[in-house]
Amino acid sequence: EADIYQTPRYLVIGTGKKITLECSQTMGHDKMYWYQQDPGMELHLIHYSYGVNSTEKGDLSSESTVSRIRTEHFPLTLESARPSHTSQYLCASSIGGGKNIQYFGAGTRLSVL
Amino acid sequence: EDKVVQSPLSLVVHEGDTVTLNCSYEVTNFRSLLWYKQEKKAPTFLFMLTSSGIEKKSGRLSSILDKKELSSILNITATQTGDSAIYLCAHPSNNDMRFGAGTRLTVKP
Repeated sequence: EADIYQTPRYLVIGTGKKITLECSQTMGHDKMYWYQQDPGMELHLIHYSYGVNSTEKGDLSSESTVSRIRTEHFPLTLESARPSHTSQYLCASSIGGGKNIQYFGAGTRLSVL
Repeated sequence: EDKVVQSPLSLVVHEGDTVTLNCSYEVTNFRSLLWYKQEKKAPTFLFMLTSSGIEKKSGRLSSILDKKELSSILNITATQTGDSAIYLCAHPSNNDMRFGAGTRLTVKP
């Protein structure tokens, strides 16, 4: 069973607020990922990290930023939230390599009013 | 660019039916193919397929890879309402996981 945690599970905030979505894993995985998923739509990769101090942007352009100061922690920050940021954000981690099974957190459903 | 395509996008069946979900892929360097089940929240891992023709089985779910046809199928026998979910197929690339759009399965009582 995967041990990857996301908080908060649900968040409703006003436009212009700064928010940080938390993601932590206790599996010692080097690789971590953030996906954005709108209802009924595909998962889109927005950020990933190969390890500490490594972060890269994914396929989908995002105004969010991430950091990876510790192996187990990969927070995502929106400096100024907008209604267009309303979505579900899923964090995942994996050992990496060819047999790259990604384990997902429960997700954060964000609504920006 | 790696691509994963799933069909059908949506499927409605009745309890007890057997369903087959399809996944085809076009990738530069094949590594493995993964199947996930996504209910209301996060995807949960079902199967990883690396070798052609070897069936992976878990209860009523089974999956097989055909490297010649660049495809995989996921079978669910004797479906139950609890099988209602989005089933995702994915291929891991260097940087990330390329997901298909998913098949939304609805099992009616």
